[in-house]
Amino acid sequence: KNEVEQSPQNLTAQEGEFITINCSYSVGISALHWLQQHPGGGIVSLFMLSSGKKKHGRLIATINIQEKHSSLHITASHPRDSAVYICAVAGGGGADGLTFGKGTHLIIQP
Amino acid sequence: EAGVAQSPRYKIIEKRQSVAFWCNPISGHATLYWYQQILGQGPKLLIQFQNNGVVDDSQLPKDRFSAERLKGVDSTLKIQPAKLEDSAVYLCASSLRPRNTGELFFGEGSRLTVL
Repeated sequence: KNEVEQSPQNLTAQEGEFITINCSYSVGISALHWLQQHPGGGIVSLFMLSSGKKKHGRLIATINIQEKHSSLHITASHPRDSAVYICAVAGGGGADGLTFGKGTHLIIQP
Repeated sequence: EAGVAQSPRYKIIEKRQSVAFWCNPISGHATLYWYQQILGQGPKLLIQFQNNGVVDDSQLPKDRFSAERLKGVDSTLKIQPAKLEDSAVYLCASSLRPRNTGELFFGEGSRLTVL
């Protein structure tokens, strides 16, 4: 079974700051997903990665397959970025389903 | 493009009662997932369908939970009888590709409170 660890669990930052959220997993995977969940809202898929780096607007996601580690970066953070960010991995450990991290609760203060 | 539709959004029941949730995935998405998300935790997979076949239901409490996906399109998740610990948000997601290698699209979720 894949173990997914996210850090930090909680993060409060000021508007404009550069944000980094980390995710590590224990077993090789076929893909890694970064998801965003707003309070009371559904989940939105931000990225799906199997290697390298992806960028979408102010969001950047990287993955290092050898180190079993991924990072999600937010540049020029804004209060509307406040949400829970969840890392989920596919495959690994013989499992077909996604294994989710517990999430990082991000608050961006104006 | 219409997203994943779920209903009801909220449901309050007493323990030992039954409840059913409905999900309509994005048109053409063969893979459908039901997740349970307890407050403060990450989602947990309950069941995964590929078309109308079950791919993974290893974490579904089959003594009280059941799910079906008639004709490989929409799906229902039923809990009977409900327990207090079933209070959670039930999320439906769909994907064009199997094995979690495609982008996932989630519904808004159905929040269940069991009293």
